[in-house]
Formats: sequence, structure tokens, C-alpha cells
Amino acid sequence: RKEVEQDPGPFNVPEGATVAFNCTYSNSASQSFFWYRQDCRKEPKLLMSVYSSGNEDGRFTAQLNRASQYISLLIRDSKLSDSATYLCVVRGDYGGSQGNLIFGKGTKLSVKP
Amino acid sequence: DAGVTQSPTHLIKTRGQHVTLRCSPISGHKSVSWYQQVLGQGPQFIFQYYEKEERGRGNFPDRFSARQFPNYSSELNVNALLLGDSALYLCASSTATGAGEKLFFGSGTQLSVL
Repeated sequence: RKEVEQDPGPFNVPEGATVAFNCTYSNSASQSFFWYRQDCRKEPKLLMSVYSSGNEDGRFTAQLNRASQYISLLIRDSKLSDSATYLCVVRGDYGGSQGNLIFGKGTKLSVKP
Repeated sequence: DAGVTQSPTHLIKTRGQHVTLRCSPISGHKSVSWYQQVLGQGPQFIFQYYEKEERGRGNFPDRFSARQFPNYSSELNVNALLLGDSALYLCASSTATGAGEKLFFGSGTQLSVL
């Protein structure tokens, strides 16, 4: 089982739609959770951290379920500029990862006019 | 303030050659990490350095090495290049190494091995 697994893409949605991405992680020792956004051929950029209580940043809402080892990202009122690949990321002090970031493969979102 | 800067932006090498990639962290950041991103995959952790010491190493062969300098900049070296080393190499910096630390990435070096 891969350490971080995400929904396969691509997600093609119209402007204004609500879209949800899901992610599962395999190691219960994981300590921190993030969503990064990556535009084509650019570097990943931190979108938001994910907290156990859930957190919201404008149109974006992240949820964490430690019992199920499940992370989600909800985007409301999608904009054309939201088109990108969304990377689910976990971090934990265990094994060879030495406390560094473990990325999923990413889910591609295309928002159409 | 300048973000994480990497050089060169693009590089073409042939099999068997070696390559050195460079990274300057955000001012005030003491930790530098290196990641490899193959097309269609998420970035994969290679090394982390903090205060000039190696703090972590991913599952990469000994052909990959790195170091951090007193000014916190870093170099990634890859020897005996293989075709499979073709990838985007990303450098990320953070202030420290705690689990909650946020990493900020440079725009990467695109390495092509022919």
C-alpha cells in the first residue's frame, strides 16, 4: 500500500461547482498534514495545513480524520484559476522519511468556463 | 524578500556524467530539503539538511549526495547519471525541522539525461 493515496484524476468541473478531493495515508504515526497546489511545470505551493478540528480558508475547507487516516479538501465556487494539481502531503517522524514530507501523486483539477 | 532560488533552471546531461544543483534558502531559514519529481508523480524526498548536518535521507542510491554551507545554501550532487534521473529537482527551505514546519519550494531544476 502506498504511503499517501489520492483520488485518481482528472476532475473536470464547470465554474462555480463544488469539488472534493480525498486522500488516505498508511502510517498512523504521521504528525502533520497539508494540501499543496502545483501548477503545470511549476513548484508546489502550500495551500493550507490540515488540522484535526478541520479548517477553512475562504473557499477551501480541509478535514482530517485520524481514526480513518483520511484527509479531504473541499473547494467551493470553483474558479478558472483553481485549475491545477492538488497534492496531499503528510509528514511524520518515522522510518526512512525522517520527518519529511510524503506526497501523493496528485489530483488534477480542470475548471471550465 | 527573495524566495527559494535554484540554479540552473534547466540542464541537459548525458548518461554517466555528474551534475551539481544549487539552492539558496529563504533568508532566515536554516533547513534545506531536496526532492525529486518525476513526470506524473508527486515529489519524493531525497535529503534534508539543518545547520549543515544531514537530518534525513530518502530511499535514493549513494550516487546522490548533498551538503549545506555555512550560509545555509545547499548543493545536490548526482554522479553516474542514468536516464531515470531525468526529473524536476526541487529544493525547499524552512526555518527549522519540526513536524509542523511549513516548507517553501523553489521553482526547481529540470534535469534531462540523454
